[in-house]
Formats: sequence, structure tokens, C-alpha cells
Amino acid sequence: GENVEQHPSTLSVQEGDSAVIKCTYSDSASNYFPWYKQELGKRPQLIIDIRSNVGEKKDQRIAVTLNKTAKHFSLHITETQPEDSAVYFCAASIVGGGADGLTFGKGTHLIIQP
Amino acid sequence: DTAVSQTPKYLVTQMGNDKSIKCEQNLGHDTMYWYKQDSKKFLKIMFSYNNKELIINETVPNRFSPKSPDKAHLNLHINSLELGDSAVYFCASSQDRERGGTDTQYFGPGTRLTVL
Repeated sequence: GENVEQHPSTLSVQEGDSAVIKCTYSDSASNYFPWYKQELGKRPQLIIDIRSNVGEKKDQRIAVTLNKTAKHFSLHITETQPEDSAVYFCAASIVGGGADGLTFGKGTHLIIQP
Repeated sequence: DTAVSQTPKYLVTQMGNDKSIKCEQNLGHDTMYWYKQDSKKFLKIMFSYNNKELIINETVPNRFSPKSPDKAHLNLHINSLELGDSAVYFCASSQDRERGGTDTQYFGPGTRLTVL
């Protein structure tokens, strides 16, 4: 089955700086890669996703890049703000054609230092 | 409110008991899921279910069983609860892009299960 590795496990950055979180996946059939943000005691919420036919996607301060050949994808957050502090999870799945759950990375605890 | 909802929010019970967690989605989605988040925050898929197939993660003990009375509900039943079952359980739902959705999985608020 799919295996997703995520690094780093903890990331501390100064407010206003950029943060980068990296993930690798093992199953070349995976074609959908979402990123979720989870605040303490809350549910995971989608912040951005990318499909295997796209190399990069951007939404305001958040961007995701995908390298299918190397089987890795990254989350980039620019101009970080205190409200960006949370745990971020990358995930991979195969969509289209049936029920398929997400395989998550182990999460990155992002700390924004004021 | 359109959403994925779960009940109860907290569940405290003794070892050996049988319990159920209910999940409902009013998003009109075809597929529902159950995830387990352990004390280290690891999120792991347990079940994926739509009207055609049930996919069970091979690591899930057969004490756990999903039950779907209709398309909008996927309840989780747990028999003979063990200490290691203590975790937060999240329900989620999605709609395939091929069927007019976005593939995005929307999560419920979670149920914190504590087994004493």
C-alpha cells in the first residue's frame, strides 16, 4: 500500500518568514495530494490540493509543488502569520473509480514565532 | 448548516464494552470514511465506503465494523473495547470529481474515545 513520509516533524519560523514542508510518497498510482491544517482540538481542514497532472498550484500565501518523477510534493507558506501555527498534514490517494481513503504523513507542527 | 457531524463528541467507557459512534453528512456525497487519530496525532484510514464497495484497512481489528443505514450515514461500531482503542475518531465524506464533486474529503468534528 501507499506510504507517505513527511518532514520536518516540527518547524519553527519567525513571523513574516517562509515555511516549507516536504513529503514523499511510494505508490506511483497516487494521483491526488491534499494538504490539511489541524488546529488544537479541531478537525483537519483542507488548505490546498494538487493533482498528478499539475506541477504547481498557488492560493494567495500558500503554494504546493509536485514532482511526479521523484514522487515528492511540498507545501510553501509565505509571509507567515501567527494564525498559521498548527499541525499540517500531507496526504496521498488514488481518486476516480472507487472509494479510496487518504494516506497521511505524520504531520508537521508549525510554530510561528512573533 | 451543510456539514459532516458526529455524535457523541466525547465517549468514556470501560474495557470490554461495545459502543457506537454516529456520523451523518448532508453534503450529498457518495463516499464516507472513518479515520483514527492516535495520541501522537497520526491519522490513519480505517474504512472507505460507498454504495458499491467497502474498503477495510487490513490493520483494523475485526472488532470494528462500519454500518451504513443509508447514503448519508456511516456509523462505527466497536465490540469488546480495549485500552488501545482510545483515540480521536474522525468521520469524513467526499464526492468523486467524475460525479460532479471535487474529491475533497470533509471531516467531522471528531469523537474522543477514552477506554478505562
